[in-house]
Amino acid sequence: DSGVTQTPKHLITATGQRVTLRCSPRSGDLSVYWYQQSLDQGLQFLIQYYNGEERAKGNILERFSAQQFPDLHSELNLSSLELGDSALYFCASSVVGGWAETQYFGPGTRLLVL
Amino acid sequence: AQSVTQLGSHVSVSEGALVLLRCNYSSSVPPYLFWYVQYPNQGLQLLLKYTSAATLVKGINGFEAEFKKSETSFHLTKPSAHMSDAAEYFCAVSGRSGGYQKVTFGTGTKLQVIP
Repeated sequence: DSGVTQTPKHLITATGQRVTLRCSPRSGDLSVYWYQQSLDQGLQFLIQYYNGEERAKGNILERFSAQQFPDLHSELNLSSLELGDSALYFCASSVVGGWAETQYFGPGTRLLVL
Repeated sequence: AQSVTQLGSHVSVSEGALVLLRCNYSSSVPPYLFWYVQYPNQGLQLLLKYTSAATLVKGINGFEAEFKKSETSFHLTKPSAHMSDAAEYFCAVSGRSGGYQKVTFGTGTKLQVIP
């Protein structure tokens, strides 16, 4: 158990809908990362937050957005969903996001868009 | 720009045989390198990491990796494969981007262990 929790575990929705994925980092970690893992794209970095502020952006679509709240949990919002958004979404956390730090991954949320 | 190449998306070994998973990296600065393992239906878990100390890094579950700057490689090895090693393995490189960590993952190698 990494100490990172993600809810829900599974999500099934329809095209055009909007969903919110939730992540709680390890106790004491200030930095949160979101990744998308799919068969054709592999593991893609989406976005990083540090202590409530956006720090880095990766291959995140404009239809996707995220935020980190004062209690440090984070939410990833996916809107106008398309079939191709079906994937496993991981959250990871680290202490401050330093470049030698280990990222601790949650178990993921499996999203299926029908 | 940094990148990671994992040679072989699938590797099969017999139980008890040597495990060798290959990773080559590209980075404009001295890199920090990681190997993560992903078991089915689980998140990624750190196996080991290189942070510019010893070039031979020992990790969990008997795995180790050697950083070879001249070959820009960070191959993962284990002397004797166990059935429980069957999983997907990801090599990753970390560098600075605007002063913060930017991690790039390889495409992964699925390890099959044959009894």
